[in-house]
Amino acid sequence: AAGVIQSPRHLIKEKRETATLKCYPIPRHDTVYWYQQGPGQDPQFLISFYEKMQSDKGSIPDRFSAQQFSDYHSELNMSSLELGDSALYFCASSLAPGQGKRETQYFGPGTRLLVL
Amino acid sequence: SQQGEEDPQALSIQEGENATMNCSYKTSINNLQWYRQNSGRGLVHLILIRSNEREKHSGRLRVTLDTSKKSSSLLITASRAADTASYFCATDVRDSSYKLIFGSGTRLLVRP
Repeated sequence: AAGVIQSPRHLIKEKRETATLKCYPIPRHDTVYWYQQGPGQDPQFLISFYEKMQSDKGSIPDRFSAQQFSDYHSELNMSSLELGDSALYFCASSLAPGQGKRETQYFGPGTRLLVL
Repeated sequence: SQQGEEDPQALSIQEGENATMNCSYKTSINNLQWYRQNSGRGLVHLILIRSNEREKHSGRLRVTLDTSKKSSSLLITASRAADTASYFCATDVRDSSYKLIFGSGTRLLVRP
């Protein structure tokens, strides 16, 4: 079965650079969530999109922005990177209404970002 | 953690033994989910229990939920070395979004 795809899997950036992380949800999933997991920490919700509109926002810095496109893939844009942004960034997707319980979120493998 | 705590933080058991992990949360929830994460890798969904359910089984997994105590437990029976991972509970709180709020996780080591 198709899973959530994230790219790139690994990314190394310098401080103050920008980074773009991409997420391709499971086919027919219309909702995408982004989470950040720092070293040794639990995942923390950043932002979510439903039908290409932002549906919720968590502890996402103003330096970060995200959007969901017409094909439902999503991109997380991170600017003025700081050392503390080094983390594992997960994307998750959930089912469209009417196709089963939409509460279950299926996670991608994550993008490991290292800021030097 | 934003929502609650898991205990123990780390658990080491012998293969074949049962492992029990507990999770507590703070707010009213729609459901509670358990995820597994192998070292630094993706989160794998294990099981979802709704707020009106008390117990759920899936293979070697048994999850209980006590909404009056705002707590849940995950039991893995007849553990295997391959069960070694971190286990997180995540709650889907009663608001308009379905975002998950994760507990701090339990690191399970199953010794062969």
